[in-house]
Amino acid sequence: EPEVTQTPSHQVTQMGQEVILRCVPISNHLYFYWYRQILGQKVEFLVSFYNNEISEKSEIFDDQFSVERPDGSNFTLKIRSTKLEDSAMYFCASSEGGRVSQPQHFGDGTRLSIL
Amino acid sequence: DQQVKQNSPSLSVQEGRISILNCDYTNSMFDYFLWYKKYPAEGPTFLISISSIKDKNEDGRFTVFLNKSAKHLSLHIVPSQPGDSAVYFCAVDSNYQLIWGAGTKLIIKP
Repeated sequence: EPEVTQTPSHQVTQMGQEVILRCVPISNHLYFYWYRQILGQKVEFLVSFYNNEISEKSEIFDDQFSVERPDGSNFTLKIRSTKLEDSAMYFCASSEGGRVSQPQHFGDGTRLSIL
Repeated sequence: DQQVKQNSPSLSVQEGRISILNCDYTNSMFDYFLWYKKYPAEGPTFLISISSIKDKNEDGRFTVFLNKSAKHLSLHIVPSQPGDSAVYFCAVDSNYQLIWGAGTKLIIKP
């Protein structure tokens, strides 16, 4: 079964540094998403992306965050200047369609640790 | 933000019995609901969904029930198997984003 893959599985970064999290969505999927889960908290939506632009974003997704689909297969999340509170598990997801009856499929996540 | 609530952090069920996981939501405009299962060190895996035009959806051992008037949904797993031990998340699809409950850890006892 096709799957969403994320790299790296664990990223350790100094506070203030830039970090790029990478995702390869399922190949025929058109919608892409990033979520995060801070330890002990709920999964939170960050951003959705369709047709090379952001469809929706949450309040968490401020100017420090950006997403890109640079080459038609990868989907990246960049955090420009990381803060301690960015430490979390980041999940990428993709779906064939945008909503009803098109569930989102998730990667195994990247654990981001900010020191 | 408590738009989706799973009030039981954990649930322990004997193998072979029925597991019932519950979820409440606050917004009557929500119209598409999903259940995901998550093992440690893995991402959430889609299990089953239901649209608000239905009150029940069944897929093998998994059935989801939706009570719109009570703003409540439940996931039934029968019979429960050891491999069902995981964290189960209820989620609502709202404008291209999923709003998640806190999860319920299901433990299946042999």
